[in-house]
Amino acid sequence: DIQMTQSPSSVSASVGDRVTITCQASQDIRKYLNWYQQKPGKAPKLLIYEASNLETGVPSRFSGSGSGTDFTFTINNLLPEDIATYYCQEYDNLPSVTFGGGTKVEIK
Amino acid sequence: EAQLVESGGGLVKPGESLRLSCAASGFSFRSVWMTWVRQAPGKGPEWVGHIKSKAYGETIEYAAPVKGRFTISRDDSKDTLFLQMNSLKIEDTGVYYCTTDKPYTAGGVITLWGQGTLVTVSS
Repeated sequence: DIQMTQSPSSVSASVGDRVTITCQASQDIRKYLNWYQQKPGKAPKLLIYEASNLETGVPSRFSGSGSGTDFTFTINNLLPEDIATYYCQEYDNLPSVTFGGGTKVEIK
Repeated sequence: EAQLVESGGGLVKPGESLRLSCAASGFSFRSVWMTWVRQAPGKGPEWVGHIKSKAYGETIEYAAPVKGRFTISRDDSKDTLFLQMNSLKIEDTGVYYCTTDKPYTAGGVITLWGQGTLVTVSS
């Protein structure tokens, strides 16, 4: 089974800051990595697919990069509405997919 | 607008059963592959299982922790997905989501989620 390790588990930043989250896969997953945002009591929402593609309607302050085993997710110019938990998810071995443990983003 | 609405969650004792339903609307349900994802309290989401469309033989696959206890099915005439959960364990507690993927992709990119239904297994 593929394991996805996200770090940090939580981050506190100021409005306007850049926030960076990393996700490491236990094996090569090529570019098959998505990033989701989840707010309390809500379902996850897709932000980035295939490592670096911005989902339609998602603000351009969100971005992703990486391939193989190491991936990065960035929020530029953090806004109060970005407070949420962010998850990476691999899909290299369909139909099963694996999510990371999550990164909680808070405002300092 | 495409929508998924789950129902059927609740509080049950270990060893008991529960059947979840997911009503789809706003898209061609019969054409898409459907997936159940669950999320334990404070944890990341977890893939539960998947059913392909009839055109692909309605092939079903399950995650190891639920194989042999859970059964996924679909009724395309009613645009509804089901998850029959038997021999429930405490570790099955969580919010259960039905989901489907981004259109025109090979799968794995989840763009449509229901609101989730809470399953609590406790003695």
